[in-house]
Amino acid sequence: GAVVSQHPSRVICKSGTSVKIECRSLDFQATTMFWYRQFPKQSLMLMATSNEGSKATYEQGVEKDKFLINHASLTLSTLTVTSAHPEDSSFYICSARDRGWGRDTQYFGPGTRLTVL
Amino acid sequence: AQSVTQPDIHITVSEGASLELRCNYSYGATPYLFWYVQSPGQGLQLLLKYFSGDTLVQGIKGFEAEFKRSQSSFNLRKPSVHWSDAAEYFCAVGPTTSGTYKYIFGTGTRLKVLA
Repeated sequence: GAVVSQHPSRVICKSGTSVKIECRSLDFQATTMFWYRQFPKQSLMLMATSNEGSKATYEQGVEKDKFLINHASLTLSTLTVTSAHPEDSSFYICSARDRGWGRDTQYFGPGTRLTVL
Repeated sequence: AQSVTQPDIHITVSEGASLELRCNYSYGATPYLFWYVQSPGQGLQLLLKYFSGDTLVQGIKGFEAEFKRSQSSFNLRKPSVHWSDAAEYFCAVGPTTSGTYKYIFGTGTRLKVLA
């Protein structure tokens, strides 16, 4: 099956610093990737849709200047949490869309646990 | 409005017992339907999906799901649960009518398996 990786799996940073999370589709090309945030014992909250070669589309209420998304290639999207604060601590999960007849499906990465001190 | 409902927040079954997790959706056309499983601290793993055709779909780990258009349901089943099946299960529907291919997720069902 399609494989999506995320790096790092876990990161701890100081308040005010920026953190970059990478999402890679390992065995397929993904023109569209998605970034989600998940709070403890809750469902996934879509933050933004990342489109290769164009600007990301952010969901209502998500600050685009705080959560910078870059989708520079067909296999890599990055999420940068700028000037992180403790309230940004969360589990961030990406997914990549594997297009194709009969298989148009999102495959998810293993997630990144961000802790802001 | 498009939505996905998983009525059961928690389900507890004994190992070896059968399992059914419910999923109901509201969608204007025939949706794509998915079930994902999430172990603690992990990402989501695709169990199975329905696009069209046979309404009973087989997935990995012995799971199956049946699409019932008349009931707007896509329930997940397994005839005999294993302790390793304990996890969070999410039903999802896509694409959204906005054309962005976003998914709508249910709130999840947490499965506990008793030895």
